Amino acid sequence: AQSVAQPEDQVNVAEGNPLTVKCTYSVSGNPYLFWYVQYPNRGLQFLLKYITGDNLVKGSYGFEAEFNKSQTSFHLKKPSALVSDSALYFCAVRENGYNKLIFGAGTRLAVHP
Amino acid sequence: DGGITQSPKYLFRKEGQNVTLSCEQNLNHDAMYWYRQDPGQGLRLIYYSQIVNDFQKGDIAEGYSVSREKKESFPLTVTSAQKNPTAFYLCASSTPSRTSTDTQYFGPGTRLTVL
Repeated sequence: AQSVAQPEDQVNVAEGNPLTVKCTYSVSGNPYLFWYVQYPNRGLQFLLKYITGDNLVKGSYGFEAEFNKSQTSFHLKKPSALVSDSALYFCAVRENGYNKLIFGAGTRLAVHP
Repeated sequence: DGGITQSPKYLFRKEGQNVTLSCEQNLNHDAMYWYRQDPGQGLRLIYYSQIVNDFQKGDIAEGYSVSREKKESFPLTVTSAQKNPTAFYLCASSTPSRTSTDTQYFGPGTRLTVL
């Protein structure tokens, strides 16, 4: 069965420092991986996705994610955090040939001035 | 939030009442989805529809019903059979999943509270 784990409920980072939000997945076939961000009382905004090709995927707002097949991970990264990056981040996986996205529980990112 | 609208933004319901949440999209997407979000649990799929007049149950369909009479619209009814309906409800849409690269785009959500 497909599953996604986001091992950290919250990540705290100082503004200007690099940030990493972790995600690991489990699928039986080729994974399609997504990152979304949610601001309070808003819908989810798409950040980036990995389908195939380069393991480093670049997305919106300066975010990027690295796909690591051997570690079944898809960690979200940003070289320099902004206070405005503070939000709830969701990792999701879809298995090739299936319709459904499976979401992780979310990680709250807090960037302090 | 793109071309997906959800209404109302906030909804209050008395126990025993059915309520319908609206979701409309102007993205010309074939597939539409309803998710429920509870604190600390991420999103869980309620129903999805890949094409007009067709829909499938997701992981937590009990107590909910949907219809898909038009491509643009996918309303969700929360029935009195849903034991714990207080949650944030999110609608999404995407191009047909057979393309294998579809991205789901989300509406702004409806917060339902049972009084």
